[in-house]
Amino acid sequence: GAGVSQSPSNKVTEKGKDVELRCDPISGHTALYWYRQSLGQGLEFLIYFQGNSAPDKSGLPSDRFSAERTGGSVSTLTIQRTQQEDSAVYLCASSLAGLGSGQPQHFGDGTRLSIL
Amino acid sequence: AQTVTQSQPEMSVQEAETVTLSCTYDTSESDYYLFWYKQPPSRQMILVIRQEAYKQQNATENRFSVNFQKAAKSFSLKISDSQLGDAAMYFCAYRSYHYGGATNKLIFGTGTLLAVQP
Repeated sequence: GAGVSQSPSNKVTEKGKDVELRCDPISGHTALYWYRQSLGQGLEFLIYFQGNSAPDKSGLPSDRFSAERTGGSVSTLTIQRTQQEDSAVYLCASSLAGLGSGQPQHFGDGTRLSIL
Repeated sequence: AQTVTQSQPEMSVQEAETVTLSCTYDTSESDYYLFWYKQPPSRQMILVIRQEAYKQQNATENRFSVNFQKAAKSFSLKISDSQLGDAAMYFCAYRSYHYGGATNKLIFGTGTLLAVQP
């Protein structure tokens, strides 16, 4: 596709349920990022994938959060046993990798997650 | 750790006028990138402008320009001839200058909501 695609656009679920959020990056982009945007806040880094390297999980807020990137393309962010504080917009971004990290990140439209 | 601060939660400008959004940051690094992103109600983050810290010349993209003051760690965005379509949340962001596989995450400020009055 032309841009980063995320699904679903909106997700409402009950507290305690597990959710999976999907990100399909721009074709050819080897770097993929997940961010979380809570109401009235800036974006908070969650996890970073680069090619076949081990992901940087340093931003994941708890062990209920995990992410995979299969085949170096599509990524899924999984939140287990959801809590109300997990309610936020989850944004995915991708970029070309390059020396000096000068490549801009291209964002998807995000998934708005609401925990009842 | 690096931090980004946007001290103006909301700003308003008349159509066709000029507005400046403020951003300051804190870092001990000498090489880095700074960005302004625009987020309309559609939620998609759109890159507005980028500045490399090693460049003294301020970046410009059409009606958008920055005032980059490295010593003061200030990075303001000026929007000239404001248009109704400029209304959005604007985020300032920082990224370290890394080689190879190091994480190139963006560090964001909390944003400034810009309203454009007709």
